[in-house]
Amino acid sequence: ETGVTQTPRHLVMGMTNKKSLKCEQHLGHNAMYWYKQSAKKPLELMFVYNFKEQTENNSVPSRFSPECPNSSHLFLHLHTLQPEDSALYLCASAGAGSQSQPQHFGDGTRLSIL
Amino acid sequence: DQQVKQNSPSLSVQEGRISILNCDYTNSMFDYFLWYKKYPAEGPTFLISISSIKDKNEDGRFTVFLNKSAKHLSLHIVPSQPGDSAVYFCAASAAIQTGANNLFFGTGTRLTVIP
Repeated sequence: ETGVTQTPRHLVMGMTNKKSLKCEQHLGHNAMYWYKQSAKKPLELMFVYNFKEQTENNSVPSRFSPECPNSSHLFLHLHTLQPEDSALYLCASAGAGSQSQPQHFGDGTRLSIL
Repeated sequence: DQQVKQNSPSLSVQEGRISILNCDYTNSMFDYFLWYKKYPAEGPTFLISISSIKDKNEDGRFTVFLNKSAKHLSLHIVPSQPGDSAVYFCAASAAIQTGANNLFFGTGTRLTVIP
């Protein structure tokens, strides 16, 4: 039990579909993150939320839309994705603003775009 | 441009011997470094960290060494066990950046410990 739960674990969708990825944490953290991991590439930070406010958008295309309704939940809304968006999407949480508090990751959603 | 590099994609070590995983970084503003371990079908889990004010941090079988002048850190696992077989990611952050714990990751090194 990592304390960070992601659903679904696997998702296959067409390029015209709309879907959402969900992340939930029960660690009392105030910072939440979305990462993308493509094959043979490092984890790429996509979005950061601190105390429900988006503090980082790492030049992510608008077809990815994050939502953070409260400190425990984070969503990634997907719309009109491209084949190159197929990847593992990881959510993480941490104590806000403190380097010494490591990020805790969920197990990820494996996304395949047809 | 990748700011954290793990140049060895894989490493095989005999059980009981030492495993040494290496990581290099280019951004001199990085002042906090972490190692994560990842098993298949699971998310990365935090292993050990080190602040730039130290050059060594030890936790049981795991020791991280930091050489700031060389912009290099390494993770030593001794003795290595079959359960240590996983992908190890090096990560770094800079307090001066907007998000103090925004992490930059390497591409990972797959460690295989042979029984």
